[in-house]
Amino acid sequence: DGGITQSPKYLFRKEGQNVTLSCEQNLNHDAMYWYRQDPGQGLRLIYYSQIVNDFQKGDIAEGYSVSREKKESFPLTVTSAQKNPTAFYLCASNSGTGITDTQYFGPGTRLTVL
Amino acid sequence: GNSVTQMEGPVTLSEEAFLTINCTYTATGYPSLFWYVQYPGEGLQLLLKATKADDKGSNKGFEATYRKETTSFHLEKGSVQVSDSAVYFCALRGRGSNYKLTFGKGTLLTVNP
Repeated sequence: DGGITQSPKYLFRKEGQNVTLSCEQNLNHDAMYWYRQDPGQGLRLIYYSQIVNDFQKGDIAEGYSVSREKKESFPLTVTSAQKNPTAFYLCASNSGTGITDTQYFGPGTRLTVL
Repeated sequence: GNSVTQMEGPVTLSEEAFLTINCTYTATGYPSLFWYVQYPGEGLQLLLKATKADDKGSNKGFEATYRKETTSFHLEKGSVQVSDSAVYFCALRGRGSNYKLTFGKGTLLTVNP
């Protein structure tokens, strides 16, 4: 089955630790995205990548970092500089680069900072 | 810039009731419009989309029509089921946006038996 996988589903972290969230897709999509979801705030874009070895900051990139070394993988690192990291994180990819193309989402990772 | 405004929830209905969730947008030119659904603890799934004015997207009994004159894309369903309980997001992708989606804040729908 083609799709987007995120792991782990639940992640707990102590304050001051960096943590990396995994996102893998086998849809052969060029563009990939990371969103953060907080209750009542919708989705906010953290980083996106339209092609391998290239990525851009979204609206709330501070305290996060990404890499895009392979087309199918777009890991997100939540650093200790992120002041309020507890949230639900969603990875997505685009079926194409056109305005009409559909964005597909993974199942999400819930990060809790203890 | 681009923005999406959708009705605030939560919305609570009885099974078989009619559903409307309002969505209006601001964008330059002619964006594509989307409705996504999120079931508890899961990611978002595309429900339907429309890519030009007067297009009607439909899926699973849900419908939405792209109204350029009122910049709206309201979601409707004639008879909701308990299984429709979820959060619904309206979104747009505009030209010159680097193909990013702009989302509304989401509307929680609860359907009671």
